[in-house]
Amino acid sequence: ILNVEQSPQSLHVQEGDSTNFTCSFPSSNFYALHWYRWETAKSPEALFVMTLNGDEKKKGRISATLNTKEGYSYLYIKGSQPEDSATYLCAFMRASGTYKYIFGTGTRLKVLA
Amino acid sequence: DAGITQSPRHKVTETGTPVTLRCHQTENHRYMYWYRQDPGHGLRLIHYSYGVKDTDKGEVSDGYSVSRSKTEDFLLTLESATSSQTSVYFCASTTPGNSPFHFGNGTRLTVT
Repeated sequence: ILNVEQSPQSLHVQEGDSTNFTCSFPSSNFYALHWYRWETAKSPEALFVMTLNGDEKKKGRISATLNTKEGYSYLYIKGSQPEDSATYLCAFMRASGTYKYIFGTGTRLKVLA
Repeated sequence: DAGITQSPRHKVTETGTPVTLRCHQTENHRYMYWYRQDPGHGLRLIHYSYGVKDTDKGEVSDGYSVSRSKTEDFLLTLESATSSQTSVYFCASTTPGNSPFHFGNGTRLTVT
């Protein structure tokens, strides 16, 4: 069983604060890592697809980095806004040919106005 | 959007009854997935499909079966529903390569 862990489980930040959270995954046979944003009562929405060690992706105030050798990815939010409140999920796939993605349990972010 | 829809959106059923959830996508995606969402567990993979009639088990496949007779449809069946299968079920699809998932809107299933 693959272990994909996210930390912290939840956090509260003030509007304007910058924050980051972590996705940890097995460091062997890496294929891809995805980040998703999931608002309550909606479906997860893709943020980033990361495939290469050292990848850095950015979308507006949100960015992500990838370290496949040590098995982690960071998601950063700069200048958090209340509309950033959501659960952030990562999903990992191993290069085993099965195309099976395993999700972490998510980090629930609450941005206080 | 990928045009992926789930039906029904909500269902209440009794323990021991069979239940089938349907996922339909219009994007000709090869890969389709069924996940369940439970508090504290995130999304857990039940079954997935890598082509018509090609399926495989995920992390929590016991008590579930799937079928994929057409590219666009992926059915999840609970042969005899149990209360532990009360959950929100999400279907997702994607193409081979480094493409993200497109998710359906979820099906909330309650087994009484």
